[in-house]
Amino acid sequence: RKEVEQDPGPFNVPEGATVAFNCTYSNSASQSFFWYRQDCRKEPKLLMSVYSSGNEDGRFTAQLNRASQYISLLIRDSKLSDSATYLCVVYNTNAGKSTFGDGTTLTVKP
Amino acid sequence: DGGITQSPKYLFRKEGQNVTLSCEQNLNHDAMYWYRQDPGQGLRLIYYSQIVNDFQKGDIAEGYSVSREKKESFPLTVTSAQKNPTAFYLCASSVTNNYGYTFGSGTRLTVV
Repeated sequence: RKEVEQDPGPFNVPEGATVAFNCTYSNSASQSFFWYRQDCRKEPKLLMSVYSSGNEDGRFTAQLNRASQYISLLIRDSKLSDSATYLCVVYNTNAGKSTFGDGTTLTVKP
Repeated sequence: DGGITQSPKYLFRKEGQNVTLSCEQNLNHDAMYWYRQDPGQGLRLIYYSQIVNDFQKGDIAEGYSVSREKKESFPLTVTSAQKNPTAFYLCASSVTNNYGYTFGSGTRLTVV
């Protein structure tokens, strides 16, 4: 089993739709959680950190459920420019390093 | 402007050659990392360094080597022992291990 697992998709949604991605992690020692966005053939860019209380940044909402060991990303009112691959990242305190999921691909269509 | 710079953007390697990928940051970050990404796949950790003159192997270190002689620089050498080096190589840095990363724009390495 992979340490960080994401539904690869692809998710194809119309503009204005709400879409949610989930990510599960296997190591309970994991301490910090992030979502990154990666455009085709580009480097990943930090989208948002994920806090236990949940956090929101405009149309994006991230949630963490430590008991069930999953994090989620909700995108409301999808824009064409949201089309990208979304990477879930988990930092493991014991290992001292971060592990990236394989990513979920989103395509927003007119 | 602060950032992280990788060079070259594209690199072609002949069989049996060693090549070195450059990574320089002026963000004053302590931690630096090298990842490899194959088409349609996630990022896999090659090496990481939390402080100058110290580095650790990641999940796929075989066939690679690094050095961290300066805080700003973390070059990666792809040796001839790496049998399948064609990939997208990404360098990143962070304040400490559990903060979000800033990535360079990557180097695409192709074996010819």
